Amino acid sequence: GQNIDQPTEMTATEGAIVQINCTYQTSGFNGLFWYQQHAGEAPTFLSYNVLDGLEEKGRFSSFLSRSKGYSYLLLKELQMKDSASYLCAALYSNYQLIWGAGTKLIIKP
Amino acid sequence: GAVVSQHPSWVICKSGTSVKIECRSLDFQATTMFWYRQFPKQSLMLMATSNEGSKATYEQGVEKDKFLINHASLTLSTLTVTSAHPEDSSFYICSARSGVEAETQYFGPGTRLLVL
Repeated sequence: GQNIDQPTEMTATEGAIVQINCTYQTSGFNGLFWYQQHAGEAPTFLSYNVLDGLEEKGRFSSFLSRSKGYSYLLLKELQMKDSASYLCAALYSNYQLIWGAGTKLIIKP
Repeated sequence: GAVVSQHPSWVICKSGTSVKIECRSLDFQATTMFWYRQFPKQSLMLMATSNEGSKATYEQGVEKDKFLINHASLTLSTLTVTSAHPEDSSFYICSARSGVEAETQYFGPGTRLLVL
């Protein structure tokens, strides 16, 4: 099967940096999505990586290594509003999108 | 980014009744729409994929006769939960994709269904 693994929960301090990792199976892989989901709300799109490397969007950056089947979402200058679940999802060549279970990020003052 | 709306945002109904949820892409044509269900503190579960003008493809374990999906136009898909039961109470979320080349899914705000 095509499994996506990401940590269940992480805790970080306001103003700090946190990295959320995601691993996936590489066979048939096309690209990797990151979504943010606040409690009780639908997911919102953050990034989509197809090529190796780091893509930066303000305080959020996403990294992809296709050969290693590995991605991470990097959040800088953490704010309390960043407390949410972060979902990674891998798109495969058959257009199937496989979702991770999400990482709940808790920000402490 | 693209905007997807859902209606209603929440609904309470009696057991045995049917509930229709609409999903609309407001500023783009959605050739493919997805319906997800999410139980509290759990990840998204894909229920079905619908392409405009064709029958929906249901995931394993999802009853197609219970969850009726109609994708009649490029901007509207509907999910009807027929003969709803309390165990169908959940957060139903749709997402839309504009075309084969644009893989990104944009999500609607979700519909909370409570079946009494």
